[in-house]
Amino acid sequence: AQSVTQLDSHVSVSEGTPVLLRCNYSSSYSPSLFWYVQHPNKGLQLLLKYTSAATLVKGINGFEAEFKKSETSFHLTKPSAHMSDAAEYFCVVANTGGFKTIFGAGTRLFVKA
Amino acid sequence: NAGVTQTPKFQVLKTGQSMTLQCAQDMNHEYMSWYRQDPGMGLRLIHYSVGAGITDQGEVPNGYNVSRSTTEDFPLRLLSAAPSQTSVYFCASLDRGSDTQYFGPGTRLTVL
Repeated sequence: AQSVTQLDSHVSVSEGTPVLLRCNYSSSYSPSLFWYVQHPNKGLQLLLKYTSAATLVKGINGFEAEFKKSETSFHLTKPSAHMSDAAEYFCVVANTGGFKTIFGAGTRLFVKA
Repeated sequence: NAGVTQTPKFQVLKTGQSMTLQCAQDMNHEYMSWYRQDPGMGLRLIHYSVGAGITDQGEVPNGYNVSRSTTEDFPLRLLSAAPSQTSVYFCASLDRGSDTQYFGPGTRLTVL
């Protein structure tokens, strides 16, 4: 069975400061892991994905995530927040092949000027 | 290349009515899925299809039917709408080469 837990429902940062969005997962086999972003009243956009290659994954818009098997974590980071990063972020675990997915509940990121 | 398209964008139904949410993709993806998004719950998988003629249940399939007669289309049917089905519905297709899902813009459904 698979599950994913996003540890914070809301995160608030100031513009120019680092962003950390936390995600823990559970999977009985080697998972594929993703982060998606959803801006208000928009669809979902893929930020980055981990599929058993490099454990540090770089995505779009300066985001990156590190897969830590020992901690079953896949936290999303960005060195410097921008106002345009304000959105909801979803951590996703998928089975091999990527078609049966489990979404986390989401973390809403607020960026203060 | 339109990607994944969904119609309608908004719909209001009365309890007990039926309707079909349409989803189409022009990327020749075999895998397609339907999700519902509710506040504080992320997206939950309703049904998915791994190819024409093949469908399976996801996490929350009750009250929904699907079929897949062509690679392009994957409609979602509500046979007898209930207020609990008020939600935003997203269709997605999967590029197996990159393990990337492409999402449609969503349908906001309200059941009164």
